Parts: sequence; structure tokens; C-alpha cells
Amino acid sequence: NAGVMQNPRHLVRRRGQEARLRCSPMKGHSHVYWYRQLPEEGLKFMVYLQKENIIDESGMPKERFSAEFPKEGPSILRIQQVVRGDSAAYFCASSGDRGQTYEQYFGPGTRLTVT
Amino acid sequence: AQSVAQPEDQVNVAEGNPLTVKCTYSVSGNPYLFWYVQYPNRGLQFLLKYITGDNLVKGSYGFEAEFNKSQTSFHLKKPSALVSDSALYFCAVSQTGANNLFFGTGTRLTVIP
Repeated sequence: NAGVMQNPRHLVRRRGQEARLRCSPMKGHSHVYWYRQLPEEGLKFMVYLQKENIIDESGMPKERFSAEFPKEGPSILRIQQVVRGDSAAYFCASSGDRGQTYEQYFGPGTRLTVT
Repeated sequence: AQSVAQPEDQVNVAEGNPLTVKCTYSVSGNPYLFWYVQYPNRGLQFLLKYITGDNLVKGSYGFEAEFNKSQTSFHLKKPSALVSDSALYFCAVSQTGANNLFFGTGTRLTVIP
């Protein structure tokens, strides 16, 4: 059973460009979470999605950031007009139905560097 | 509001000795508590969780944690440390009905041969 997959693993963008980060949840998982980790810090929650729905985006910056989890295909975290402060590791996690299990399983992360 | 405190940025322990990584939390209602481990340039790996029931929770790789409601703590322990346990450890909390995990700032564990 493949784990959570993220690509690319490393992404370099110049200021003003767009970054698209992809996440495929574990097989059978329908809940996806995105977190951001700044250097030497813990993970900060950004957004929680189920298929075709954003459930909780309380951690998302109001501008330039968006996320989706379409009916088919991976979840996408999109950052428009990137700035240096967006440089971080972005982790995706997935979980099964909350009635069965609560732990989230994390992907290897995408390390975004904005030059 | 929920919060997690990991008071020690760094913990050093000799191989074979017991280890403890501390975590205290603040949350409304009943907490769901988790420990994760992160190796360099890797994602987080789930170690164990407390949802309800027995206060002593056993997890992966010989780790365990004890939920103490009166002290609002969830310290991670292992009876005998291995060099391979050296990594960054994160405590996380979620409150009942919430979707997201709230993480502490992490504790770097170094096991000295």
C-alpha cells in the first residue's frame, strides 16, 4: 500500500512565479491536509479538504494561496506570485474516515525555494 | 485556543539509557494527542496516539507515552535508547471535532553511542 505521495520533492521558483504542489493521498483515504514548515519550526496547518470540498481553510493566507482536491487526480496547493517568505517545506497528510482512525499520514514534503 | 509546548529544544541521552521527551498541551474539551518523528529531509512518521482509554499508550519502535490529565502532559518515553532514535520529535494535539493537528516546535533527540 503506497504511502502519501508528493511531487515535486524540490521546487525552485523566482519571485512572482507560480508554484503548484501535488499530493496523492494513501489508497482509501479521502481526507487531505496541507501543512507548512518553516526552518527550525513545527508544522502549521493550512487547509483541510475532502473530495471536491474545502472543509477548513482557516490556516491559509488570504491572498495568493489556494487548494483543491478534485474528484479525479491529486490535491493541488497553488501559490501565485511567490515571494521569498513562501520558501518552506510543504507537507501533505491524509487520513481515513474520522470514525475509524484519527492519525494523519504524511508525505515526504515539497521543499519550495523562492529566489 | 489550542497550544502545545515542548520545553526542550534538544535532548541528549546515552545509548541504552531511558529517554523522555516532554510535551504539555492546552486545548478546549478532550484532547487527541499524537507523537510524530521526523528524520532529515523526510516527512513525519506517526509514532502513537491517545484518544481515550488507558493513559499509557504504546507505539512504534518501542516508544510509549503517558497521558496525564491533571498535568496536561503527554511525555514520550522509551526504556532503552538507540542511536537510530536520533531525530526530531513533534508532539501534536487536536481537539474534539477539529480537523487539524496543532504541532509543538519539536525536540531534537540525540542518542550518543
